[in-house]
Amino acid sequence: GAVVSQHPSRVICKSGTSVKIECRSLDFQATTMFWYRQFPKQSLMLMATSNEGSKATYEQGVEKDKFLINHASLTLSTLTVTSAHPEDSSFYICSATRGSDNEQFFGPGTRLTVL
Amino acid sequence: GENVEQHPSTLSVQEGDSAVIKCTYSDSASNYFPWYKQELGKRPQLIIDIRSNVGEKKDQRIAVTLNKTAKHFSLHITETQPEDSAVYFCAAVFGGSQGNLIFGKGTKLSVKP
Repeated sequence: GAVVSQHPSRVICKSGTSVKIECRSLDFQATTMFWYRQFPKQSLMLMATSNEGSKATYEQGVEKDKFLINHASLTLSTLTVTSAHPEDSSFYICSATRGSDNEQFFGPGTRLTVL
Repeated sequence: GENVEQHPSTLSVQEGDSAVIKCTYSDSASNYFPWYKQELGKRPQLIIDIRSNVGEKKDQRIAVTLNKTAKHFSLHITETQPEDSAVYFCAAVFGGSQGNLIFGKGTKLSVKP
C-alpha cells in the first residue's frame, strides 16, 4: 500500500508555456502533500506543502505565482509551472503522508525540460 | 534556518566492506530521521528510518544510529554489494511543521567489485 503516482513522467515544452503536473495517492487518503524540485546532482529542495482545501505553504524563495499548487481532494494535488523558462527545467517530485505518521511516500517524479 | 549536514559527499568502497554516512541536524525538536537511496532518474526509496525514542535500528545489512544529545545520526551498510551503488540522502523532520523534511546534500556511494 501507499502508492503515489505522478503524471506526466516527462514533459518538454517551449519557453513561456504553462505545464501542469499531477500527483495522486492511489490507495490512501493523503494527510499532506509535498512538492520538491531536484536539479542534477543536487538534493531534494522542498518547494511547498499543501493540504486538501487550503492554500499551499511555500518555502522561502519559491514564487507562489509561478508555481501554482491546487489540492482539490485528499488524493490529488497539482503543480502548475506558469510561464516556464529554461531555468525551470528540473526533476519535480511529489510526496504524501498518511495519517499522523511522518513517513513520506514519493511519486516517481516528472522530468521537465523547457526549451 | 534549519539545516542537515551530510558527509561525505562521495564514498568509494570495495565490495564486502562497510560504508558509513554521517549527518548532523540543527533542530533539536526533530523526531524522525529517514534515509533514502536514489538511483539516477528515480524516486527516493526509503531504506530505513529512526525515531527519536530509539538509539539504533537495524534491518539486515543496514543500520542507523541516532545520538539526540549530539544531534547526529549515521547510516551503516555492511557487506556492501555493487547494487548498493547509488546516492544516499539523510533527512530530518522539521519540528513543528506538518512533517516537512529537510534533506542532506547526499552521498554518492560507489561499491567496486
